[in-house]
Amino acid sequence: EIVLTQSPATLSLSPGESATLSCRASQTLSYTYLAWYQQKPGQAPRLLIYGATKRATGIPDRFGGSGSGTDFTLTIDRLDPEDFAVYYCHQYLNSPPTFGGGTKVEIK
Amino acid sequence: QVQIVQSGAEVKRPGASVKVSCKTSGFTFNSYAIHWVRQAPGQRPEWMGWIIAGNGDTKYSEKFQGRLTITRDTSASTTHMELSSLRSEDTAVYYCAREGGYSSAYSFDFWGQGTRVTVSS
Repeated sequence: EIVLTQSPATLSLSPGESATLSCRASQTLSYTYLAWYQQKPGQAPRLLIYGATKRATGIPDRFGGSGSGTDFTLTIDRLDPEDFAVYYCHQYLNSPPTFGGGTKVEIK
Repeated sequence: QVQIVQSGAEVKRPGASVKVSCKTSGFTFNSYAIHWVRQAPGQRPEWMGWIIAGNGDTKYSEKFQGRLTITRDTSASTTHMELSSLRSEDTAVYYCAREGGYSSAYSFDFWGQGTRVTVSS
């Protein structure tokens, strides 16, 4: 099973600042099969990024994904108040699909 | 537009079974796979299994082998997840999610709203 480790666990930032979230895999991944989700309290995860770099439909361009191999990054430019949430990375190359432990982006 | 609507919250006794439904619309059901993912309070999402809607093939996480059954009703564009021999550790929100296919690199592109299952004596 591929283990995904996200860091930091919590990111305290102000609206307008930028966020950089990290996801490290225990084995090399094909970039094609790495996704990022946003989850707000009481809601289902929402797909932001798939294929490591591609924004899902309707996702603002302030969200960006990068990385390859075992290290992947989600960048959020100019944090909007609606961006404060928990973010999960997800690999679905190997079975079972696994999720990272999440990074909470909170208002400073 | 794609919609995925799950059945309502459940409270079950230890040892009982629970069946959660996931009704889809807005896309060709038989052309996709549906995954089931659960999330215990404060924990990361955990993949449970999936079903290929077109042919009914299933695959389950080893963790749930023998306790989990995923089925589908193509006439109703609905999948069902049944988990048996419930224990307190099964208390979680259960989600179904569509696997998006080639256009979204097979990520989970649409999710149901979640069904809270509470196991308590």
